[in-house]
Amino acid sequence: DAGVIQSPRHEVTEMGQEVTLRCKPISGHNSLFWYRQTMMRGLELLIYFNNNVPIDDSGMPEDRFSAKMPNASFSTLKIQPSEPRDSAVYFCASSPGLPRYEQYFGPGTRLTVT
Amino acid sequence: ELKVEQNPLFLSMQEGKNYTIYCNYSTTSDRLYWYRQDPGKSLESLFVLLSNGAVKQEGRLMASLDTKARLSTLHITAAVHDLSATYFCAVDRGGSEKLVFGKGTKLTVNP
Repeated sequence: DAGVIQSPRHEVTEMGQEVTLRCKPISGHNSLFWYRQTMMRGLELLIYFNNNVPIDDSGMPEDRFSAKMPNASFSTLKIQPSEPRDSAVYFCASSPGLPRYEQYFGPGTRLTVT
Repeated sequence: ELKVEQNPLFLSMQEGKNYTIYCNYSTTSDRLYWYRQDPGKSLESLFVLLSNGAVKQEGRLMASLDTKARLSTLHITAAVHDLSATYFCAVDRGGSEKLVFGKGTKLTVNP
């Protein structure tokens, strides 16, 4: 299996622009997670889906962030408009669920907003 | 609110030495995870501990879980340079797939 796939791997954009991050989970996994990692705040869960349905979005920082999962093999995280404080590494992870609920992480997208 | 605390946050050790990283969590949980992250890389799953008294070993790393004490340990035996990385523990909220991560322990193994 190719593992969790994320694109792009690096994104540099200017403040105010829209940014879309993409994720393809491992085939057969029914849960998908979006995380953000920064030096200051560590690893934070933004949102997670189960069977394509958003279950908990309490970690989404504000209305500028939105996430979708239109089908079992694709998810997007969108930031509009982007701000410099959004600069971070964004990870997508997927999990097969029971019994271990083990999460497998993608390579991440390093986002820089100037 | 579930809190996960790791200590130490930074650990510098010599090759060949033994050491233990501690992970404490604040509320009842049935599952605890250890991950490794190399600089600029993603997180790699090391261990999944599913029950009280669980012990898992892989090479020079051994993880254990005491759910009554809400404590997990990651023991490093005869450290080698290749073990240099940041190690995270994570705990799920009971009944949920959400994980709460500790701040990580940055391990540096010196020759």
